[in-house]
Amino acid sequence: DTEVTQTPKHLVMGMTNKKSLKCEQHMGHRAMYWYKQKAKKPPELMFVYSYEKLSINESVPSRFSPECPNSSLLNLHLHALQPEDSALYLCASSQEGVDGYTFGSGTRLTVV
Amino acid sequence: KQEVTQIPAALSVPEGENLVLNCSFTDSAIYNLQWFRQDPGKGLTSLLLIQSSQREQTSGRLNASLDKSSGRSTLYIAASQPGDSATYLCAVRMDSSYKLIFGSGTRLLVRP
Repeated sequence: DTEVTQTPKHLVMGMTNKKSLKCEQHMGHRAMYWYKQKAKKPPELMFVYSYEKLSINESVPSRFSPECPNSSLLNLHLHALQPEDSALYLCASSQEGVDGYTFGSGTRLTVV
Repeated sequence: KQEVTQIPAALSVPEGENLVLNCSFTDSAIYNLQWFRQDPGKGLTSLLLIQSSQREQTSGRLNASLDKSSGRSTLYIAASQPGDSATYLCAVRMDSSYKLIFGSGTRLLVRP
């Protein structure tokens, strides 16, 4: 298995809702990432987990809460989002050393 | 602070042309450089990964080169096809970080 799987593919949520994005990989990668991408912009790093521990938080607002239950799973919990948080949310993983990054197909989030 | 620039921002070519996409970076202390392709609204597909010690990588009609000392990489696409139409992103990983730093991308249109 050489894929990163993200669910759901599309999500519409209200500003008072709580929802979660899920990401799964079975490549044995020990680093996992959340990126946010607005239209016609490059991806921006949000969080990095290394060996299931949060190692980088790029000053992301607390309404985004990451979780890494095990080495294969990464969640992003969403609460009280704003319309400007609407974007494509991408999950990625990588191995230590010389490997590159593998990205999932993303979750298109719309906040109404 | 590392900055990654891609030129041109957009490119339109007739089918069959050979073309070159450019990527430059300001800090040569990179760990590796990765080229990605992104179709509209989709995730990132890895095309080529070049380690800092390598000069080039090839995959099918794609060839990527790296000149660390001058802070440049090029992606060469031979005999372009309409199916090559997408946004191409280069990203560098620094020596001391898991973080990928992206360029703003080149939007390629190959006309039939």
